[in-house]
Amino acid sequence: DTEVTQTPKHLVMGMTNKKSLKCEQHMGHRAMYWYKQKAKKPPELMFVYSYEKLSINESVPSRFSPECPNSSLLNLHLHALQPEDSALYLCASSHRGRYNEQFFGPGTRLTVL
Amino acid sequence: GESVGLHLPTLSVQEGDNSIINCAYSNSASDYFIWYKQESGKGPQFIIDIRSNMDKRQGQRVTVLLNKTVKHLSLQIAATQPGDSAVYFCAEESQAGTALIFGKGTTLSVSS
Repeated sequence: DTEVTQTPKHLVMGMTNKKSLKCEQHMGHRAMYWYKQKAKKPPELMFVYSYEKLSINESVPSRFSPECPNSSLLNLHLHALQPEDSALYLCASSHRGRYNEQFFGPGTRLTVL
Repeated sequence: GESVGLHLPTLSVQEGDNSIINCAYSNSASDYFIWYKQESGKGPQFIIDIRSNMDKRQGQRVTVLLNKTVKHLSLQIAATQPGDSAVYFCAEESQAGTALIFGKGTTLSVSS
């Protein structure tokens, strides 16, 4: 299995809602990532988990809360988002260490009303 | 700071032509680079990578060239096909080796 899966594919939420994005991989990768991608822009790193521990938080607002319950799963909890948070949220995974390609999921298209 | 950029936002070619997509990077300490292809509505897909101890690497119909002297990276696609139409990103491994920094992207359009 060389796939990263993400659910849901699309999500529409209001600014007062709480929702979660989910990501799963079964490649034995011990590094997992959340990226945010706005239209016609490159992906921007949000969080990095290494061996289920948060290793990088790129100054992301606290309304985004990541969680890594185990080595195969990665969640992104959303609360009190703003319309400007509407974007494609991409999950990726890789082997830990240098010179390892990251495998990306298809993303969740998030719209905040 | 660390940054990776692309020279052209768009590139239009005819089917069967060879395509060259360019990328300039600013961090001379970078030693690992990847090219990704992103089709509409999908996540980035790995194409090819190269380490700084190499100046050329070939895959199936694709070649990546690295010129460390001028900090330039390019992706060559031979016999471009309509299915190659996508946005192409170069990415650089961060100095900490923990994440990728993406360039701005080039949209490749292939007409039949």
